[in-house]
Amino acid sequence: DAEITQSPRHKITETGRQVTLACHQTWNHNNMFWYRQDLGHGLRLIHYSYGVHDTNKGEVSDGYSVSRSNTEDLPLTLESAASSQTSVYFCASSRESVGETQYFGPGTRLLVL
Amino acid sequence: QKEVEQNSGPLSVPEGAIASLNCTYSDRGSQSFFWYRQYSGKSPELIMSIYSNGDKEDGRFTAQLNKASQYVSLLIRDSQPSDSATYLCAVRFNNNDMRFGAGTRLTVKP
Repeated sequence: DAEITQSPRHKITETGRQVTLACHQTWNHNNMFWYRQDLGHGLRLIHYSYGVHDTNKGEVSDGYSVSRSNTEDLPLTLESAASSQTSVYFCASSRESVGETQYFGPGTRLLVL
Repeated sequence: QKEVEQNSGPLSVPEGAIASLNCTYSDRGSQSFFWYRQYSGKSPELIMSIYSNGDKEDGRFTAQLNKASQYVSLLIRDSQPSDSATYLCAVRFNNNDMRFGAGTRLTVKP
């Protein structure tokens, strides 16, 4: 079955380290998204991509970067992790049509000490 | 400012009752609206999408959209304890930016 996976599921890192969170989908969706979820803020969009080599900044993009070298993967990099980036990170994907219904991965819990 | 507002709750209803969840949004030009359910510790899953004014029904769920009032709601009939979760309202604004509300926590008591 087609799916969307994230790795690692849990990560502890130290302030200042570079961290990369992986997202892989097998639906062949063109659109991929990264969100963070914090109490009281709901889901906030970090970066998104509408296709290979396309990347766009979302609402809370500072300190994060993405690259899209193929359809299946959109890795999220924290350039220099900060304690404020402790959060749960969700990757999502959608087809170009069907009203942008997004399908979410299982999430990655990141703790920055 | 693009905003999606939800009452954070918690909303508590008895089993078998109707649960009513509400959402308002700031961009009058928005065209796509979604309700997601999120169980504790899990990822959001789509329940309903709605694009036109009026009601859209799917089983026990009814989404209602009023673009003039910038208001979208979700009704859950015959609420079950398994419906206990956080419900997220999402709006795709005119520039394709998808924004989520903070969510309403629903508890259905047996």
